Amino acid sequence: GQQLNQSPQSMFIQEGEDVSMNCTSSSIFNTWLWYKQDPGEGPVLLIALYKAGELTSNGRLTAQFGITRKDSFLNISASIPSDVGIYFCAGDDMRFGAGTRLTVKP
Amino acid sequence: GAVVSQHPSWVICKSGTSVKIECRSLDFQATTMFWYRQFPKQSLMLMATSNEGSKATYEQGVEKDKFLINHASLTLSTLTVTSAHPEDSSFYICSAPHTIFYNEQFFGPGTRLTVL
Repeated sequence: GQQLNQSPQSMFIQEGEDVSMNCTSSSIFNTWLWYKQDPGEGPVLLIALYKAGELTSNGRLTAQFGITRKDSFLNISASIPSDVGIYFCAGDDMRFGAGTRLTVKP
Repeated sequence: GAVVSQHPSWVICKSGTSVKIECRSLDFQATTMFWYRQFPKQSLMLMATSNEGSKATYEQGVEKDKFLINHASLTLSTLTVTSAHPEDSSFYICSAPHTIFYNEQFFGPGTRLTVL
């Protein structure tokens, strides 16, 4: 099956800083999705990308679908404490990346 | 927005017993639902695809006789962990796809299973 590599595994940042995380796949995707999971809850969709090169924003979040269709990144600007959680990428096949655990220090 | 519920939210059972977890789409129909398992500090692992009116499709390495899936209606899928053992203790999460944008998933809140 397709392999998804997500990095970094974890990030510890100061409130107000920007954050960037990315995913790469071994195969071409038609869709990239970014989810956030809070402790003890199910993931919630943040951004869905459907077109190579597409850049989409959702508030302070911005995600891009890589031109090669094998990668995507998610940026969070001006982080706040409620950004804490685990961020996952996912592709066409409903499988998830390993996740990026974000900690924001006030 | 679309809402997916799960019941129970947590369950503790003795080793050897069976546990049923329900996943419901509350305000939309889902011919397909997905079941995931998540161990502590790990990612979600897709276990199976539940199909209304037909057999579930299991991922490689997932025992279909141990994890019984029944998609009884367009709004309900159930996962039964049979003869549960401590290693089955995990966080089980279901999802249902958006009716138009199939790859976008609405997730349930999860069920934490602890097998003693």
